[in-house]
Amino acid sequence: NAGVTQTPKFRILKIGQSMTLQCTQDMNHNYMYWYRQDPGMGLKLIYYSVGAGITDKGEVPNGYNVSRSTTEDFPLRLELAAPSQTSVYFCASSSRQGSYNEQFFGPGTRLTVL
Amino acid sequence: AQSVAQPEDQVNVAEGNPLTVKCTYSVSGNPYLFWYVQYPNRGLQFLLKYITGDNLVKGSYGFEAEFNKSQTSFHLKKPSALVSDSALYFCAVREEGNNRLAFGKGNQVVVIP
Repeated sequence: NAGVTQTPKFRILKIGQSMTLQCTQDMNHNYMYWYRQDPGMGLKLIYYSVGAGITDKGEVPNGYNVSRSTTEDFPLRLELAAPSQTSVYFCASSSRQGSYNEQFFGPGTRLTVL
Repeated sequence: AQSVAQPEDQVNVAEGNPLTVKCTYSVSGNPYLFWYVQYPNRGLQFLLKYITGDNLVKGSYGFEAEFNKSQTSFHLKKPSALVSDSALYFCAVREEGNNRLAFGKGNQVVVIP
């Protein structure tokens, strides 16, 4: 199993540009999550999904969109990039709704908006 | 609302000495508690969790954590630290029935040779 994979690893965007961060998991997990990590701030939840076709907002959804057309894929879309979106983005997945299941994380995408 | 506090920014410890990373939590109902570790330029890796049962939980790489309900704490411990334990450690909590994890801000652990 590759686990959770993310592409790209690094990206530099200009203000106003758009991009999609890709996330794929091969563990047949129902639950998938997008976080952003800023220095000294821990992880903030952007969006999450409990299964194909179902998504919901997290703590910091503004400026982002997601879709979940398959169990495996959960892309994150930035429509109009802003410097405040400079961050490291992590995708994660877990096996089912049970609150006790740990999440598995991808390696992250480091995004800089200039 | 669920939340986690990790009061120290950095923990310095000499190699071979005991390591403790502190975590306190706040939830409305029963807590599910987790510790994750992050090495430089990597994603988070699961270390251990408390769901129910024995208050002392053992996890990966020789780490353990003690759940203390009266003090609402879940401190991470290792009896003898290694230089390779130098990393960023995150505590997280989830209330029963909540889909989301709340993470602390993280603690940088530096093990000095």
